[in-house]
Amino acid sequence: GQQVMQIPQYQHVQEGEDFTTYCNSSTTLSNIQWYKQRPGGHPVFLIQLVKSGEVKKQKRLTFQFGEAKKNSSLHITATQTTDVGTYFCAGLFSGGYNKLIFGAGTRLAVHP
Amino acid sequence: NAGVTQTPKFQVLKTGQSMTLQCAQDMNHEYMSWYRQDPGMGLRLIHYSVGAGITDQGEVPNGYNVSRSTTEDFPLRLLSAAPSQTSVYFCASRGPGHNSPLHFGNGTRLTVT
Repeated sequence: GQQVMQIPQYQHVQEGEDFTTYCNSSTTLSNIQWYKQRPGGHPVFLIQLVKSGEVKKQKRLTFQFGEAKKNSSLHITATQTTDVGTYFCAGLFSGGYNKLIFGAGTRLAVHP
Repeated sequence: NAGVTQTPKFQVLKTGQSMTLQCAQDMNHEYMSWYRQDPGMGLRLIHYSVGAGITDQGEVPNGYNVSRSTTEDFPLRLLSAAPSQTSVYFCASRGPGHNSPLHFGNGTRLTVT
């Protein structure tokens, strides 16, 4: 079936270090969305990537969509304690526009 | 503007009991969906609806029923709860077009003993 694989499952960093999470699909994605879930909260939309090779930035966060539209990454520069949470990628597959498939998520812990 | 509202926030059931998780949205979104979240497995789609009177299955539909009689409401029914249904359940809605982001409710934490 359609799956989105996400690694790593957990990441512990010291405040100020960088962080990256990766998502991969075996088939081409129509688009990919990223969400953040704070501990005890609900997922909140961060950004969407649609075009092949697209790169978008939100302050210290950089999102990339691969040329083949099968992989994506989220990079956080100089992490802060406010970055703590679980980051999910979610992909839409062609022909399955009503089924947003989530990766397993990467839980980020930031130590001050 | 409340967004997506889920009730209850917490629920404990015994095996075999039935219950309905409620979800309502006030954004006039046609698309609504239910996900369950389990440790290490992310969010898995249970059922979704693209409008009143229309529902379809997601990735893990077994053991759950849904209906959509109005645009605002999308309840999720567990007819005979099982311990494997212990999870956190999120309802989400989406605006027009498949590129619109999902808006999630605050979730319902369900424990089945």
